[in-house]
Amino acid sequence: DSGVTQTPKHLITATGQRVTLRCSPRSGDLSVYWYQQSLDQGLQFLIQYYNGEERAKGNILERFSAQQFPDLHSELNLSSLELGDSALYFCASSVGGQPYEQYFGPGTRLTVT
Amino acid sequence: AQSVAQPEDQVNVAEGNPLTVKCTYSVSGNPYLFWYVQYPNRGLQFLLKYITGDNLVKGSYGFEAEFNKSQTSFHLKKPSALVSDSALYFCAVRSGTYKYIFGTGTRLKVLA
Repeated sequence: DSGVTQTPKHLITATGQRVTLRCSPRSGDLSVYWYQQSLDQGLQFLIQYYNGEERAKGNILERFSAQQFPDLHSELNLSSLELGDSALYFCASSVGGQPYEQYFGPGTRLTVT
Repeated sequence: AQSVAQPEDQVNVAEGNPLTVKCTYSVSGNPYLFWYVQYPNRGLQFLLKYITGDNLVKGSYGFEAEFNKSQTSFHLKKPSALVSDSALYFCAVRSGTYKYIFGTGTRLKVLA
């Protein structure tokens, strides 16, 4: 158990809908990262937050947004969902903003029908 | 463009034999390199990292990796493979702009 929690574990929704994925980092970790893992795209870095501020942005679509709250938990919002958004979404956390190792949560499996 | 390449989709090795999982990278500036392992239906687990210093990095579960700047490689190695090492292995690099780039993964199969 990495100490990173993600909810929900599974999510099934229809095209055009909006969902919110939640992540709680390990106790004491200030950085949160979001990744998308799919069979055709592999593991894609979406975005990083450090202590509430956006630190880096990767291949995140404009339909997606994220934020990190004062208690350091983070949410990833996915809107206008398409079939291609079906994937495993991972959250990870690390101690700080430097290149520390990341601890990954168990993931949220999103299925868009 | 910054990238990570894992040229082998799958590596098969007999239990007890040494294993190598290859990774090459392209990044501007000093590379920060990582190896992670993913077991079925689980999140990724950190194995080891290279930030600076000694080119040979030792990590969890007996794994080590060698940073080679001239060949821009960071191959993962273990002297004696275990069946329980069978999993999906990812090499990753952090760029100077804080973006993390992961390789496509190499499936390691250790045969008893």
